[in-house]
Amino acid sequence: SQQGEEDPQALSIQEGENATMNCSYKTSINNLQWYRQNSGRGLVHLILIRSNEREKHSGRLRVTLDTSKKSSSLLITASRAADTASYFCATSSGNTGKLIFGQGTTLQVKP
Amino acid sequence: EAGVAQSPRYKIIEKRQSVAFWCNPISGHATLYWYQQILGQGPKLLIQFQNNGVVDDSQLPKDRFSAERLKGVDSTLKIQPAKLEDSAVYLCASSYGTGEQFFGPGTRLTVL
Repeated sequence: SQQGEEDPQALSIQEGENATMNCSYKTSINNLQWYRQNSGRGLVHLILIRSNEREKHSGRLRVTLDTSKKSSSLLITASRAADTASYFCATSSGNTGKLIFGQGTTLQVKP
Repeated sequence: EAGVAQSPRYKIIEKRQSVAFWCNPISGHATLYWYQQILGQGPKLLIQFQNNGVVDDSQLPKDRFSAERLKGVDSTLKIQPAKLEDSAVYLCASSYGTGEQFFGPGTRLTVL
């Protein structure tokens, strides 16, 4: 079963613009993680935000978490063509580290 | 630091045949995961190992899928017999604790 639902499913922007992706989930979590997947490749971890955190930054990435609304957003600022990829949110509950992934958002950044 | 290794990268088989995938996690990572990713979807966990013990295999179709991690290091995932709907990318990941997971490049399986 997939806990996360991501919105939008696809996003196309120009280089230099900001990209925002949203993730909603259903049950309480320990942490929420964002991953990037380039076409035909494995997933790369971007950022982890814990349930007691509200915002986190990493380079051009900004992640927010609203546990009352069970939602998170990923903002990529000043996008580059190399940011073209699929982005997945994944939630972790319990104490096993098991991740449940959303369906993903496909981002295209046009040069 | 070497990443997660998987082989083969691609495999084409006919339905009812068997297939096996191999994964070598990052050295020192006790936890190993196998995911199935169908085209256009997010990865779905099939099985999770902690050292050589199974932590979660609730979504593993046990009538046809099996996995082992005998020495607590590398792992194999087997499908026997394969069905058309098993066509997917099979991803292996490992982690040190319960946080960030490191993924291999995946094995793309096509069942004809």
